[in-house]
Amino acid sequence: AQKITQTQPGMFVQEKEAVTLDCTYDTSDPSYGLFWYKQPSSGEMIFLIYQGSYDQQNATEGRYSLNFQKARKSANLVISASQLGDSAMYFCAMREAAGYSSASKIIFGSGTRLSIRP
Amino acid sequence: NAGVMQNPRHLVRRRGQEARLRCSPMKGHSHVYWYRQLPEEGLKFMVYLQKENIIDESGMPKERFSAEFPKEGPSILRIQQVVRGDSAAYFCASSRQNTDTQYFGPGTRLTVL
Repeated sequence: AQKITQTQPGMFVQEKEAVTLDCTYDTSDPSYGLFWYKQPSSGEMIFLIYQGSYDQQNATEGRYSLNFQKARKSANLVISASQLGDSAMYFCAMREAAGYSSASKIIFGSGTRLSIRP
Repeated sequence: NAGVMQNPRHLVRRRGQEARLRCSPMKGHSHVYWYRQLPEEGLKFMVYLQKENIIDESGMPKERFSAEFPKEGPSILRIQQVVRGDSAAYFCASSRQNTDTQYFGPGTRLTVL
């Protein structure tokens, strides 16, 4: 069965430092997608970055990069040069690609609350 | 290009009442998904719909909950005879294809008194 694990319930980081949020996953499907979403205190879910299981290179979007280690089944999010506005909950998520309807389900981890100190 | 719209943003109901949550997908998106988030938890998948069809409702409670996505108008998540345990944030997401990235609405926060 699919599973997403985020082992860091909370993190404190100094402004301008880089931060790595951990995520490990478990799936038996060779084809899957990995996502990171940000949820600020206002509550909305903001899509950050996506990595496909067959993508050769790690995904990057501005200050966000995904450290994808397929053999270890990890998909850590790296935020470079953290800013005060990065304070939020961060969710790692996964979708399997097998089957039409199962591709619809995104499984979320329990989240990491990131707090940036000025 | 407007994002996913959800209304109301906040909904208060007394036990036993009905709650109706609306979701308008992004323009060009015909796939809609509903998720529920309990306090301090991640989102849990409830149901996946395309226009006039429920594709996957494996995450929906068997009783009191129903969803639709009519040919015209928004998708509706309906909760009958609400109980305190239904208090949560309900998120809608949409995508163009079922394998595309899902974009989320701002959520509806349901409080059952």
